[in-house]
Amino acid sequence: KAGVTQTPRYLIKTRGQQVTLSCSPISGHRSVSWYQQTPGQGLQFLFEYFSETQRNKGNFPGRFSGRQFSNSRSEMNVSTLELGDSALYLCASSRKGDRGVTDTQYFGPGTRLTVL
Amino acid sequence: QKEVEQNSGPLSVPEGAIASLNCTYSDRGSQSFFWYRQYSGKSPELIMFIYSNGDKEDGRFTAQLNKASQYVSLLIRDSQPSDSATYLCAVNYGGSQGNLIFGKGTKLSVKP
Repeated sequence: KAGVTQTPRYLIKTRGQQVTLSCSPISGHRSVSWYQQTPGQGLQFLFEYFSETQRNKGNFPGRFSGRQFSNSRSEMNVSTLELGDSALYLCASSRKGDRGVTDTQYFGPGTRLTVL
Repeated sequence: QKEVEQNSGPLSVPEGAIASLNCTYSDRGSQSFFWYRQYSGKSPELIMFIYSNGDKEDGRFTAQLNKASQYVSLLIRDSQPSDSATYLCAVNYGGSQGNLIFGKGTKLSVKP
């Protein structure tokens, strides 16, 4: 079974630009979550999509947005980039097991974004 | 504010020893608990999940959960230099399937 895939793996942008990151979850997983990882703040939840609907959103400004398509693939967009947006952006897909609790969340390789 | 706390380390153990990693969480309603391993420059890799009080073993790894104390731990037996990494504890409080709250991680170093 293929894992979570993310593209691109590396990006260099300048302040003020916008960027779109893509994620394909594990086959059969309908939940896709996005996280930002920085050395100072660790892993922080951005948002989750399930069946094309945003179900939950972390504490990030409106410049961060996302969407999910009918095939569960997801995109994340950051507009008006700031220096502080430089980070590793991780996508994860998850499922609930037979017991009704989340029992699996696998991460993709991440997109390393550098804002100059 | 839901929080997950870990000792940042570094935790240094000799090869062959047992490494013990600890994590506390703030939300009593939390439902499932995860341990990830992250090598430098790589994405987190799922080691184990646990949702019931007690121990869960998988190879050299044992996860322990105590919901009354809001405490979860990971034991690594027969530690190897290849286990040297940052270990992340994460908690799903059930409000949203895909929303895990992560600790900042404990850096483990296994010395040959």
